[in-house]
Amino acid sequence: DIQMTQSPSTLSASVGDRVTITCRASQSISSWLAWYQQKAGRAPKLLIYKASNLQSGVPSRFSGSGSGTEFTLTISSLQPDDFATYYCQHYDSYPVTFGQGTKVEIK
Amino acid sequence: QLQLAESGGGVVQPGRSLRLSCAASGFSLSSFHMHWLRQAPGKGLEWVAVISNDGVTIVDADSVKGRFTFSRDNSKNTLYLQMNSLRVEDTAVYYCAKEEGSSGRAGWFDPWGQGTLVTVSS
Repeated sequence: DIQMTQSPSTLSASVGDRVTITCRASQSISSWLAWYQQKAGRAPKLLIYKASNLQSGVPSRFSGSGSGTEFTLTISSLQPDDFATYYCQHYDSYPVTFGQGTKVEIK
Repeated sequence: QLQLAESGGGVVQPGRSLRLSCAASGFSLSSFHMHWLRQAPGKGLEWVAVISNDGVTIVDADSVKGRFTFSRDNSKNTLYLQMNSLRVEDTAVYYCAKEEGSSGRAGWFDPWGQGTLVTVSS
């Protein structure tokens, strides 16, 4: 199985900060990567697919990059609505797996 | 508006069974591969299974293999998850999700249902 490792596990930031979350795959997954946002008690919401494609309706302050084994999710200017947990997911093959999550907290 | 709604969760004793449903609205289930995923309390996301659009092909996680079965009734626009021989470690919120992407790979998931909580406890 392909292992996905996110860093950091927790991130403390202020409104307006630029935030970067890293996701590493245990083997190359080309660009077969998605990012999700999850708020407490809610289902995950798709943000990015194929590593860098912004899902329709997602604010442009979110962006994704990377290929192979290293990927990043960047929030260019953190907004109050962005405090949540973020997960990466590979879809290179079955089983699909997720990173352990990165919780973005208010500093 | 594309929506998914899971139902059927509850409290069940170890070794017992439970069936979850996932009703789709705003789109035809028959056009899409569909997935089940779960999230244990306070933990991360775990993929459980995919069922092809025609219900013929199913791939499931080792953690549920032989205990969970997956089906769909496209005429009712509904997905089913039959969980047998439940274990304490199956306690989780169970989500259904629509697969996106046509690369021949597994896909990404959008949308997700709101989830239904299954608690396995004596």
